[in-house]
Amino acid sequence: QVQLVESGGGLVKPGGSLRLSCAASGFTFSDYYMSWIRQAPGKGLEWVSYISSSGSTIYYADSVKGRFTISRDNAKNSLYLQMNSLRAEDTAVYYCARAYEEFAAQGYYFDYWGQGTLVTVSS
Amino acid sequence: EIVLTQSPDFQSVTPKEKVTITCRASQSIGSSLHWYQQKPDQSPKLLIKYASQSFSGVPSRFSGSGSGTDFTLTINSLEAEDAATYYCHQSSSPWTFGQGTKVEIK
Repeated sequence: QVQLVESGGGLVKPGGSLRLSCAASGFTFSDYYMSWIRQAPGKGLEWVSYISSSGSTIYYADSVKGRFTISRDNAKNSLYLQMNSLRAEDTAVYYCARAYEEFAAQGYYFDYWGQGTLVTVSS
Repeated sequence: EIVLTQSPDFQSVTPKEKVTITCRASQSIGSSLHWYQQKPDQSPKLLIKYASQSFSGVPSRFSGSGSGTDFTLTINSLEAEDAATYYCHQSSSPWTFGQGTKVEIK
């Protein structure tokens, strides 16, 4: 069965860095777009970034552009999020999710989600 | 950026009642609109894809409709286990979520 397991969260000071990982199993990882989505405590969902199956296409939300970098290693079935220049407002649970598009240009949906990893940015 | 506005923000409902949640997009997105359910302390789960298609394993009481800018999630005959926050998500470009609708059981 599809499994997505995030790791790497923790407490970091403002201006610091953190690297999140997402280990995928139960499907052919290299066939799928992947995404990071976050949720601040008590708040709604915010899409952060996505990466195409080959890694050649990447998009970021404006709120993280220039500070976060998404990447993947298809040989290791792993997705990453390098987070630099962290701010208090980046405090959130970070989810990785598999994104799927049934027909070209119809749009992607998130069919499987990990359990999330908590990132706390505080001095 | 396409903004999704859900209404209402909160709804308190009696079991077996019908629940209707709407999601309005700031510009037309065709049918690139999906619905998720998130229960407390759990990850979100996909309910409806492409506005009206049920995801595998989702109970038949959940249905979706709409296209363009106006979309609806309907829960027929609400059950206690449906207490959750529901989010719409558009995948036109860039991807965004609605602010969520919390459904409480009376």
